[in-house]
Amino acid sequence: GENVEQHPSTLSVQEGDSAVIKCTYSDSASNYFPWYKQELGKRPQLIIDIRSNVGEKKDQRIAVTLNKTAKHFSLHITETQPEDSAVYFCAASPTGGGNKLTFGTGTQLKVEL
Amino acid sequence: GAVVSQHPSRVICKSGTSVKIECRSLDFQATTMFWYRQFPKKSLMLMATSNEGSKATYEQGVEKDKFLINHASLTLSTLTVTSAHPEDSSFYICSVGQGDQPQHFGDGTRLSIL
Repeated sequence: GENVEQHPSTLSVQEGDSAVIKCTYSDSASNYFPWYKQELGKRPQLIIDIRSNVGEKKDQRIAVTLNKTAKHFSLHITETQPEDSAVYFCAASPTGGGNKLTFGTGTQLKVEL
Repeated sequence: GAVVSQHPSRVICKSGTSVKIECRSLDFQATTMFWYRQFPKKSLMLMATSNEGSKATYEQGVEKDKFLINHASLTLSTLTVTSAHPEDSSFYICSVGQGDQPQHFGDGTRLSIL
């Protein structure tokens, strides 16, 4: 089955700096890669996703890049703000949200003033 | 607005009790729903895929007799933790997804077994 690795497990940045979280996956059949943000005690919320036919996608301060050959994808957050502090999970799926997601281990992001 | 409604949000009960958690799809009819379990400061682990009108598909290592899943309608799936014990205490989250659309999560249920 699919295996998703995520690094780093914790990340501290100063407000205004950029944050990068990286994931690798093992199954070449995976074609859908969402990123979720989870605040303490709350549900994971989708922040951005990318499909294998696209190399990069951007939404305001958030961007995701995908290298399908190397089987890795990354989340980039620019101009970080304190409210960006949360746990971020990457995931992989063969098709989309209608299929089961395999999650990475999570990254605790802390944006310090 | 919310796509998925999950209830209850918190349950505290005695060991040996069975607990039912409901997950409702609010925006569309869902033939498939997913149940995850999350330990503190850990990732989401898929427990089972709930299939409307048929048996759930359980992940390896998940006891189907312990975690009963029923998906009797296109908008409702239930997870029943039978004869719960302290080791079953966890955060249980359901999600709904369809085709190539994103998967959306419920608010989760924090289960505490005394």
